[in-house]
Amino acid sequence: DAEITQSPRHKITETGRQVTLACHQTWNHNNMFWYRQDLGHGLRLIHYSYGVQDTNKGEVSDGYSVSRSNTEDLPLTLESAASSQTSVYFCASSEGTESYEQYFGPGTRLTVT
Amino acid sequence: AQRVTQPEKLLSVFKGAPVELKCNYSYSGSPELFWYVQYSRQRLQLLLRHISRESIKGFTADLNKGETSFHLKKPFAQEEDSAMYYCALTDFGNEKLTFGTGTRLTIIP
Repeated sequence: DAEITQSPRHKITETGRQVTLACHQTWNHNNMFWYRQDLGHGLRLIHYSYGVQDTNKGEVSDGYSVSRSNTEDLPLTLESAASSQTSVYFCASSEGTESYEQYFGPGTRLTVT
Repeated sequence: AQRVTQPEKLLSVFKGAPVELKCNYSYSGSPELFWYVQYSRQRLQLLLRHISRESIKGFTADLNKGETSFHLKKPFAQEEDSAMYYCALTDFGNEKLTFGTGTRLTIIP
């Protein structure tokens, strides 16, 4: 069955380290998104992509980067992890045919110490 | 800029009682509104969207453009409705979603 997966599911890292969170979908969706979920803030968009080689900044993109080299993957990189980036990160994808429904991964809980 | 407001962080309702989760939005264009739900230990998933006008799991939501609201309602709460609910919007032609801060609904047996 087609799905969207994230890895790792849990990660503890130290301040200043580079961290990459993986997102992989097998629906062949054009659109992929990264959100962070924080108490009191809901889900906030970090970066998104409408297709291969396309990436765009979201609402809270500072300190994060993404790349889209194929349809299936959109890895999220924290260049130099900060304690403020401790959060739960969700990846999502959508068809891109104006269906608008986004399908979410299980989330990655990241702790920066 | 578009914004979604969910004024209630927590909402407790007795089983069998009516449920209303509030959502207000600000957007200058023509938005499409959604409700997403996250049950315990499950992924965030679409509950319903305005344009489909469906009733899912007994929930309905009416878009009130005058009051810029999209409140989620259910006449009789069930224990399995306990979850985190997010209201979200996008504009037609733009695939991005803007989420509210969420409301945690607890159904009291």
